[in-house]
Amino acid sequence: GIQVEQSPPDLILQEGANSTLRCNFSDSVNNLQWFHQNPWGQLINLFYIPSGTKQNGRLSATTVATERYSLLYISSSQTTDSGVYFCAVEQGDSNYQLIWGAGTKLIIKP
Amino acid sequence: ETGVTQTPRHLVMGMTNKKSLKCEQHLGHNAMYWYKQSAKKPLELMFVYNFKEQTENNSVPSRFSPECPNSSHLFLHLHTLQPEDSALYLCASSPRGQVTYNEQFFGPGTRLTVL
Repeated sequence: GIQVEQSPPDLILQEGANSTLRCNFSDSVNNLQWFHQNPWGQLINLFYIPSGTKQNGRLSATTVATERYSLLYISSSQTTDSGVYFCAVEQGDSNYQLIWGAGTKLIIKP
Repeated sequence: ETGVTQTPRHLVMGMTNKKSLKCEQHLGHNAMYWYKQSAKKPLELMFVYNFKEQTENNSVPSRFSPECPNSSHLFLHLHTLQPEDSALYLCASSPRGQVTYNEQFFGPGTRLTVL
């Protein structure tokens, strides 16, 4: 089956710093989502981005489907950005199941 | 209420108890999902329902029994659980089949502790 790898596994930054999170996948996909899981467990949708580039405030994401990777950029980090960031992909023949990466745990220090 | 809601948010139960988790989606979606998230493990898909019909059961033990009376409501009935079933249980919904994309939206989860 498809493999989803996220890097780095852990990231500690000072408030105000920028960061780039990476998601590599081993096969073609027709759906890719980025989520932020806050310390209370809530999974928050960040981007639905099977290809191309999207921006939402301080966050942006780019998926290069032909090269099988996606990047999540966080600029001017705030302490509320802390949590775990997940990438999840869906293949065309997966019966709509999302395959999840292990996540990147981000800690923003004040 | 908007989005996906789950009740209760926290649940502590003994191994001989019977309890139910409830999920409701207010997004007009037709697909609903149960996931389990244990500490330090990736999310595990448990069940999928599409238009009230179960389409996936990922080898989940029979002590977990799902019920989907309509496209907006999903239940997870629990009985004779084990301590290793303690986890965060997440419900999600998506517009699967209604549109060309299938973005999943999640509820806040029920944190379950089995004593």
